Amino acid sequence: DAKTTQPTSMDCAEGRAANLPCNHSTISGNEYVYWYRQIHSQGPQYIIHGLKNNETNEMASLIITEDRKSSTLILPHATLRDTAVYYCIVRVEWDGSARQLTFGSGTQLTVLP
Amino acid sequence: DSGVTQTPKHLITATGQRVTLRCSPRSGDLSVYWYQQSLDQGLQFLIQYYNGEERAKGNILERFSAQQFPDLHSELNLSSLELGDSALYFCASSPRRSPFYEQYFGPGTRLTVT
Repeated sequence: DAKTTQPTSMDCAEGRAANLPCNHSTISGNEYVYWYRQIHSQGPQYIIHGLKNNETNEMASLIITEDRKSSTLILPHATLRDTAVYYCIVRVEWDGSARQLTFGSGTQLTVLP
Repeated sequence: DSGVTQTPKHLITATGQRVTLRCSPRSGDLSVYWYQQSLDQGLQFLIQYYNGEERAKGNILERFSAQQFPDLHSELNLSSLELGDSALYFCASSPRRSPFYEQYFGPGTRLTVT
């Protein structure tokens, strides 16, 4: 799976958009970009994923650059409850192997009142 | 609330002991995954069961074992416990064998080995 690079921490004002970047310059053509988050010591929570096109759901938007070497997760109106560690993961959807999800260090997002 | 339940929430035990962690997947989910999260290792995949059979194995120690029962709940057995086994253990479930994005995580069991 492609390696990802994320900032260690970020702050965001409550009510503002939070933009979390992720670099994945070695991404392969069949690898998806996934975002999960983990609120302190709770189980990780799936947010969004995409391959090439930008994606949006009720939680967030995912913007993937045209060359797919980086992406940005956007929380449009951050709230205090969005304070969490956000993980960007790049991997194939299914490649017939037994490899599974392994999280890196992620970005600690702190939403400030 | 993901719909995945794990018991117990906290467990404190001594080195050399054996413990069993329990996971009930979301209703209808056939796959169960176990993960370990320690402070220095991050979240690591241990093992996956699909409809009662072992499907994938990750970084699971030989002292650890798991099974999935006919009612689809799963148990993770940890034996000959060492201090380094202290961690959060998460269970996740999904409706199918392999979709990555459809893993729903439980609240975890915090194991402390003293």
